[in-house]
Amino acid sequence: DAGVTQSPTHLIKTRGQQVTLRCSPKSGHDTVSWYQQALGQGPQFIFQYYEEEERQRGNFPDRFSGHQFPNYSSELNVNALLLGDSALYLCASSLADRGLQYFGPGTRLTVT
Amino acid sequence: RKEVEQDPGPFNVPEGATVAFNCTYSNSASQSFFWYRQDCRKEPKLLMSVYSSGNEDGRFTAQLNRASQYISLLIRDSKLSDSATYLCVVNRGNTGKLIFGQGTTLQVKP
Repeated sequence: DAGVTQSPTHLIKTRGQQVTLRCSPKSGHDTVSWYQQALGQGPQFIFQYYEEEERQRGNFPDRFSGHQFPNYSSELNVNALLLGDSALYLCASSLADRGLQYFGPGTRLTVT
Repeated sequence: RKEVEQDPGPFNVPEGATVAFNCTYSNSASQSFFWYRQDCRKEPKLLMSVYSSGNEDGRFTAQLNRASQYISLLIRDSKLSDSATYLCVVNRGNTGKLIFGQGTTLQVKP
């Protein structure tokens, strides 16, 4: 039974560039949530996708956008990267929008 | 003030010790509560849900006090493998939006 998978594992980008991160949920799950974790901090909720729609959004600017595909996989896009966007980006999947959330291994993004 | 607050530690304890972590949350609308464990440079993993009646899973006991908006985690007979960061998590109104504390770091020494 495959768990949550994310790609890529690591990424280095330059300020101003755009990045796309990908997530495949755990088998049987239909909801994907994205979190940003800065060094030494707990994860912060970015948004959640359920039935291919953004259902909840945290306090992140419009530079952060996402998408969910019919197979429940999801993408996180960040435009106009800032140095402060450097973080571990975590994807969590659940069954429906209120189920227990299980995290993928994350994508470590470094912006230089 | 952060919505979920934890003492970041680190807590350094010898093997076999009992250690307790505390967490407070500020939003009384919070309805679901969890402890997650995060190893260095890894993803958070669900340790246990926390129920009003208190619940136990082996060496781990979680307590919730809704009146004081306080959550605790007790680890008995600490093992070296318990060394990790423990994240206190609340779900406000069962929305699916998890709110994490900063995390408390535990180091268990031989």
